[in-house]
Amino acid sequence: AQSVTQLDSQVPVFEEAPVELRCNYSSSVSVYLFWYVQYPNQGLQLLLKYLSGSTLVKGINGFEAEFNKSQTSFHLRKPSVHISDTAEYFCAVSDLSNTGKLIFGQGTTLQVKP
Amino acid sequence: NAGVTQTPKFRILKIGQSMTLQCTQDMNHNYMYWYRQDPGMGLKLIYYSVGAGITDKGEVPNGYNVSRSTTEDFPLRLELAAPSQTSVYFCASSYDSNTEAFFGQGTRLTVV
Repeated sequence: AQSVTQLDSQVPVFEEAPVELRCNYSSSVSVYLFWYVQYPNQGLQLLLKYLSGSTLVKGINGFEAEFNKSQTSFHLRKPSVHISDTAEYFCAVSDLSNTGKLIFGQGTTLQVKP
Repeated sequence: NAGVTQTPKFRILKIGQSMTLQCTQDMNHNYMYWYRQDPGMGLKLIYYSVGAGITDKGEVPNGYNVSRSTTEDFPLRLELAAPSQTSVYFCASSYDSNTEAFFGQGTRLTVV
């Protein structure tokens, strides 16, 4: 079975500052890794995903994440945030069972202040 | 592009009532999912389907039923609503098991 832990429930940051949202996972098998963003009263939207290959993954809106197998982490980063990045961010894993089922973390609320 | 469409957006139910949450997608995706989102808990998988006529339980299936008679539609049925089913429900679809899942806008359900 897999599990996902997002280490921060809320991350306040000033506009134009860098940010890191932390995600650790547990799994006895290989997994795919995802970051989704949820804007207020919206569904979830994919930011980026890691399936294989390069451990540094670039996504939309200037976000990137690095897969670290030894530390079982997949932290999300952005060098300079904007007010419009204020949202809830979810880390998720999927095993290779060909079902596409996602196991989500608890979510991290990113609050960008002017 | 409609994508994944959920209806209704909001609903208040009384304990013991039943209802169906509708979900339809126009992307010809084989895989469809129902998740519920509770504050501070992330999303939990209720049921999923890998194709028409095939459904399976997720992590929290109790109190729910689904059917998948067509590729496009994946309705979620609540037979005897309970306060514990107060939640936001999201339907999602994907082309296959490792491509992006597209989510609907959600249905906010309150059981009183």
